[in-house]
Order: sequence, then C-alpha cells, then structure tokens
Amino acid sequence: SQQGEEDPQALSIQEGENATMNCSYKTSINNLQWYRQNSGRGLVHLILIRSNEREKHSGRLRVTLDTSKKSSSLLITASRAADTASYFCATDEANSKLTFGKGITLSVRP
Amino acid sequence: KAGVTQTPRYLIKTRGQQVTLSCSPISGHRSVSWYQQTPGQGLQFLFEYFSETQRNKGNFPGRFSGRQFSNSRSEMNVSTLELGDSALYLCASSQSGGGEQFFGPGTRLTVL
Repeated sequence: SQQGEEDPQALSIQEGENATMNCSYKTSINNLQWYRQNSGRGLVHLILIRSNEREKHSGRLRVTLDTSKKSSSLLITASRAADTASYFCATDEANSKLTFGKGITLSVRP
Repeated sequence: KAGVTQTPRYLIKTRGQQVTLSCSPISGHRSVSWYQQTPGQGLQFLFEYFSETQRNKGNFPGRFSGRQFSNSRSEMNVSTLELGDSALYLCASSQSGGGEQFFGPGTRLTVL
C-alpha cells in the first residue's frame, strides 16, 4: 500500500526556476527520504530528514517536514536540465522497510 | 567502494517458468531489501534480509521468496511466473536496515 502521496504528479519548469514537490503520508514515521530516478534506472538517495527535524539542506535541495500535518516538501533551487527525473518520497516507519509514493515527474526545459 | 550490483540486468521468461535474481550489496552492508516497480503499482516492498534472516516481508504471494548468504549477497526467486510479474526489480542495501538505502540498477523482468 502507498504511504506517501506526492503532489503534483507532473511538473514542467524552465531551467533556472525552482521546483517544489510535496509529499503527504499517513502514519507515524522514523524518517522521510527523497529519491530520484532517471528513466527507469535505480534510485538515487537525495536527502533524509528525521522525524524530530523540521528543515534540512543539501546543496540545491531543501526539504521540510511537518509531522503535525504529516507532510514534507522538497525544493530544488536553480533547476538544471539534468534535474529532469522522477522524484519519490519514502517513509521509514522504523521497521526496516521504505514505503514509497507514486512519484513526481519533473521536466526541466533548457 | 563499489555500488550495489544486480544480475542479470534484463531477463525474458514465459509464464509458468521460475526466475532467480541476484544482488550484491555494498561491502560492509548487512541489510538487503528488494522492491518491485511497475507503472501501475509503483514501488512496492518485497522483503528485507539482515544477517541471513528475513526481517520484514511485504504483501506478496508465496511465489516470491528470497534468501541471503553469509557474505550478504542476496537472491530472490519468483516461481510460476505470471504476466503481472513483469517489472523492474530493485535491490537496495544499507548498513543496518534503517536510513539511507543504496539502490542497484535493477533487473528488468519481462514475462511473455
């Protein structure tokens, strides 16, 4: 069953613009992670935010977590064509498995 | 360190056959998880092994099984293949199971 639900399902932006993706989940979590996948290949881990954290940065990525609303957002600043990919949020319920959302398709136009 | 490797990368089978997929985790990682990815159902957790023991299992029929060896390498087996088993099968490793997962490139299984 899906735990995370990303929003929007698809996003198309111009290079240089910021991209914001949202994720909502249903149950208590240990942490929430964001992954990127290019063209049906393996997933690449982007960032992890623990349940007791509210915001985290990594390079051009900024992730926020609101446990009271059970939601997270991923912001990619100054997007590049190479950021074109599918992005997934995944929740870790502290039972050694990740539950993924359906993903967001991001297209960055040069 | 070498990344997670999966073999084979592509596989074509016919209904009723069985298949074995292999995953070699990053050196030092003791947890290996398997996921199935399809366009309709997305990414779904199959099972997780830690130190040769299945520690967690997703909602898949018994036709899906796995094991882990003493060197942490893992295999998953699907018996009596069905058309709906066509998917990208992803393996991920981590040091202890929680936190960041490192994914392999996947095995693309097509069932005809």
